[in-house]
Amino acid sequence: KAGVTQTPRYLIKTRGQQVTLSCSPISGHRSVSWYQQTPGQGLQFLFEYFSETQRNKGNFPGRFSGRQFSNSRSEMNVSTLELGDSALYLCASSQRSGQAISNLDEQYFGPGTRLTVT
Amino acid sequence: DQQVKQNSPSLSVQEGRISILNCDYTNSMFDYFLWYKKYPAEGPTFLISISSIKDKNEDGRFTVFLNKSAKHLSLHIVPSQPGDSAVYFCAGMIGQFYFGTGTSLTVIP
Repeated sequence: KAGVTQTPRYLIKTRGQQVTLSCSPISGHRSVSWYQQTPGQGLQFLFEYFSETQRNKGNFPGRFSGRQFSNSRSEMNVSTLELGDSALYLCASSQRSGQAISNLDEQYFGPGTRLTVT
Repeated sequence: DQQVKQNSPSLSVQEGRISILNCDYTNSMFDYFLWYKKYPAEGPTFLISISSIKDKNEDGRFTVFLNKSAKHLSLHIVPSQPGDSAVYFCAGMIGQFYFGTGTSLTVIP
């Protein structure tokens, strides 16, 4: 089974621009979550999508948005980029369906997209 | 506010010895805890998990201990191997995952 794929792997943008990152989950996984990883901050949860609906949202400004398509693929968009948005953006998929905890909650991460804002 | 904390950014251990990685949390409502391992240029990979109703879970060389009264969990790796050198993240789950900042483990041959 193919793993989680993210495109592009590396991206350089300038301040004020916008960017769209893409994530293809493992086949059969309907939950897709996005995280931002910066040095010293660990993985910060951005949002989770399930069946094309945003199910959970982290504490990020509205410049960060996402969506999920009917095939479970997901995109994340960041508008009006700031220098502080430079980070590794990770996507993770899981079989998790409900809010109850089970062993289906195990998340599988993609390799990430390294975004550099100059 | 960081609900899951890993206060040791790095740890060095001799090959064959025990590695103990620690994690503290503030939210007593966490249902589940997980440990992930991350190599450079790769996404984190799931290592081991523990439900909040248990105090120990073992999988081969990896054991996770949960002390709910202290809001503390730890990951024990015995024996440590050079291939275990990576960044380890602990995470608590309630609705969403809350990750710690990671501990970089170096196993010295």
